Amino acid sequence: LAKTTQPISMDSYEGQEVNITCSHNNIATNDYITWYQQFPSQGPRFIIQGYKTKVTNEVASLFIPADRKSSTLSLPRVSLSDTAVYYCLVGGSENGANNLFFGTGTRLTVIP
Amino acid sequence: SAVISQKPSRDICQRGTSLTIQCQVDSQVTMMFWYRQQPGQSLTLIATANQGSEATYESGFVIDKFPISRPNLTFSTLTVSNMSPEDSSIYLCSVGHRTDTQYFGPGTRLTVL
Repeated sequence: LAKTTQPISMDSYEGQEVNITCSHNNIATNDYITWYQQFPSQGPRFIIQGYKTKVTNEVASLFIPADRKSSTLSLPRVSLSDTAVYYCLVGGSENGANNLFFGTGTRLTVIP
Repeated sequence: SAVISQKPSRDICQRGTSLTIQCQVDSQVTMMFWYRQQPGQSLTLIATANQGSEATYESGFVIDKFPISRPNLTFSTLTVSNMSPEDSSIYLCSVGHRTDTQYFGPGTRLTVL
């Protein structure tokens, strides 16, 4: 079961780019890297997923180095509404076995 | 993405009683899961709800305390039995065709007095 390590909290000013790095040294060959965002009083929301190199969508970018032992979620020009907890997860399957582990997450606070 | 609803959204219960939480999805999904999230904490997986068979429980969670039903591919219930204040938490259901791309319901906030 691949576990992850990420900073407990981060602060950023509005308009800045925020990079949250996650370590996953025991990632398996078949594991994908997935990031979720959770606002207070809501369930987590899937934001981005990747296997290697770089993935970009309308919300964020995900950078994964060749060894895949870490990944970096990049949020461009954050706003106050990006204040949330961000979870990095590795694993995933289609066979019903849930091998995902939600770690502590990173609590991002965006400051005006 | 799937649209998930949970009922009730919140409840306050007396110790020793039981509460059943419902999770409804707007489309058929392969997998459904139940999580618990205590205030300020991360999510802990309780069990996988299996359609037509007994749920698969994670370590530390047992069927007698958290019976789960899943009669079809769009609906599941979680019962929190014989509640104590330690059961006060947010209970979330999630669905997906892969475990790494799950869609979560809004959660049920339970307070046990």
